[in-house]
Amino acid sequence: KAGVTQTPRYLIKTRGQQVTLSCSPISGHRSVSWYQQTPGQGLQFLFEYFSETQRNKGNFPGRFSGRQFSNSRSEMNVSTLELGDSALYLCASSSAGTGGYEQYFGPGTRLTVT
Amino acid sequence: QQQVKQSPQSLIVQKGGISIINCAYENTAFDYFPWYQQFPGKGPALLIAIRPDVSEKKEGRFTISFNKSAKQFSLHIMDSQPGDSATYFCAASKHGYALNFGKGTSLLVTP
Repeated sequence: KAGVTQTPRYLIKTRGQQVTLSCSPISGHRSVSWYQQTPGQGLQFLFEYFSETQRNKGNFPGRFSGRQFSNSRSEMNVSTLELGDSALYLCASSSAGTGGYEQYFGPGTRLTVT
Repeated sequence: QQQVKQSPQSLIVQKGGISIINCAYENTAFDYFPWYQQFPGKGPALLIAIRPDVSEKKEGRFTISFNKSAKQFSLHIMDSQPGDSATYFCAASKHGYALNFGKGTSLLVTP
């Protein structure tokens, strides 16, 4: 099976702009989670979607949002970018909700905000 | 607040030695404890995971030891190899949702 894919891999944006990141899960996985990884805060959970519904949400401001489509692909959006949003954004897919606990990560999107 | 505490922050082990990384958690509702390995420029890769109904799980050179009463778990890498040099993260969650990660351990295995 193909793994989790994320696009784009690298992105440079200016403060105040917005950005959309995309994630395609492993075939058959219906749960997609997003994480932010920074050197200071480590890996932090953003939100999780299952069957197009947000099922869990981490402690991030409302500028961070996401959605999931009927084919399980997911997008996350960050509006009004701040310098502190520079991070590696990771998507993970899982069969959680249908018996599986394991989360498999994609390679991430490296976002740089200038 | 940090729900999972991981130590040490960095570790240097000689080839053939045993690498040991420890984690502690607070939330007794957690029932799933995975370990991930991450190489520079890559996403975390699932190594091995355990649920609290067993005290130990072994897969190849990797072993998780779990102490439910102490709320601690650890990763042992036997016969450590230079190719094992990476950052290791422990995590904990309830039912596999919303992983809470430790801060990571940078492992260097010297030849």
